[in-house]
Amino acid sequence: EPEVTQTPSHQVTQMGQEVILRCVPISNHLYFYWYRQILGQKVEFLVSFYNNEISEKSEIFDDQFSVERPDGSNFTLKIRSTKLEDSAMYFCASSESDEQFFGPGTRLTVL
Amino acid sequence: QKEVEQNSGPLSVPEGAIASLNCTYSDRGSQSFFWYRQYSGKSPELIMSIYSNGDKEDGRFTAQLNKASQYVSLLIRDSQPSDSATYLCAVNTGGYQKVTFGIGTKLQVIP
Repeated sequence: EPEVTQTPSHQVTQMGQEVILRCVPISNHLYFYWYRQILGQKVEFLVSFYNNEISEKSEIFDDQFSVERPDGSNFTLKIRSTKLEDSAMYFCASSESDEQFFGPGTRLTVL
Repeated sequence: QKEVEQNSGPLSVPEGAIASLNCTYSDRGSQSFFWYRQYSGKSPELIMSIYSNGDKEDGRFTAQLNKASQYVSLLIRDSQPSDSATYLCAVNTGGYQKVTFGIGTKLQVIP
């Protein structure tokens, strides 16, 4: 069964450093998403991406964040200058319509 | 702010009983509703989607939607210890762009 994959599974970085989280969505899906979940809190929407552009973003998704689909398979989330409060699980999801399927997540730890 | 409300629990039910999980949402324009299951440390896993008023059954799971009351529920029949997880209610508004999650209800099935 096709699934969303994410790398790395765990990323540790120093405050102020740039990180890139990678995702490979399900191959026939056209809509891509990033969510984050701070420990013990809700899953929070960050951004949706369709037809090579951002279709919607939340107030969390400020200028420090960017997304890209650099080729036909990968979908990336870049955080330019990480803060302590960026420590969270980051989930990528993809959908063919409105049912979204999540990847296993990347645990980001900012020290 | 579009909200999705759930009781965080824990909800404890004996093995073999029916577990009833509830969710309310604030946006009357919402059209698509989802239940996800999240095991500790894992990503959300889609269980069911529901779009119209009434019941939708899939195996041991039944989703119920009442748009007039802005209420969604999930019933799990013959609950098993393996059903012990956090159940996330999610609501989609404005096409495929964004899903808002509730905090989730932690279900404990007691053997």
